[in-house]
Amino acid sequence: RKEVEQDPGPFNVPEGATVAFNCTYSNSASQSFFWYRQDCRKEPKLLMSVYSSGNEDGRFTAQLNRASQYISLLIRDSKLSDSATYLCVVEGTGAGSYQLTFGKGTKLSVIP
Amino acid sequence: DTGVSQDPRHKITKRGQNVTFRCDPISEHNRLYWYRQTLGQGPEFLTYFQNEAQLEKSRLLSNRFSAERPKGSFSTLEIQRTEQGDSAMYLCASSFGYISSISVGDSYEQYFGPGTRLTVT
Repeated sequence: RKEVEQDPGPFNVPEGATVAFNCTYSNSASQSFFWYRQDCRKEPKLLMSVYSSGNEDGRFTAQLNRASQYISLLIRDSKLSDSATYLCVVEGTGAGSYQLTFGKGTKLSVIP
Repeated sequence: DTGVSQDPRHKITKRGQNVTFRCDPISEHNRLYWYRQTLGQGPEFLTYFQNEAQLEKSRLLSNRFSAERPKGSFSTLEIQRTEQGDSAMYLCASSFGYISSISVGDSYEQYFGPGTRLTVT
C-alpha cells in the first residue's frame, strides 16, 4: 500500500463548480498534513495545512480524520486559475522526522 | 529574490558522467531538504539537513548520491556515474524549525526552489 494515496483524476469541472479531493495515508505516526498545489513545470507551493478540527481559507476547506487516516480538500466556486495539480502531503514518519511524503497528485482542469 | 534558488535549472549529461547541483535556501532557514520528482509522480524525499548535519536519508539515496551542507547555508547534491533512471526534477526546499531543550520543535512551511531538471542521455 502506498504511503499517501489520492484520487487519480483528472478532474475536469466547469467554472463555479464545487470539487472534492480525497486522500488516505498509511503511517499513523504522521504528524502534520498539508495540501500543496503544483502548476505545470513549476515547484510545489503550500496551499493550506490541514487540522483535525477542519480549516477553511476562502473557497478552500480541508478536513483531517486521524482515526480513518483520511484527508480531504473541498474547492467551492472553482475558478480558471484553480487549474493545477493538487498534492496531498503528510509530514513525518515518527518523532524528529520532517520529510514530506507526497501523493501522486490529482490534476484539476477548470473549464470556461 | 529572497526565495530558494537552485543552479543550474537544466542539466543534460551523458550516462556515466558526474553532476553536481547547488541549492541556496532562504537565508534564515536552518533546515534544507532535497526531493526528486519524475513525470506523473509527486516529489520523493531524498535527504534533509538541520544546519550542517544530515539527519535523514531516504533508501532512494543510493551510494552514487551524496549531499553536503558544509557551512549550514547552501547545499550541493552530487550524482556520480549517472544513469538514465536518474533523469528527473531535483527539488530543494527549506524551512525554519526550532529546537527546544526537551525535544525537536515543530517545523514550518517548506518552501521549494524552482528545481533542476536533469536529463541523462
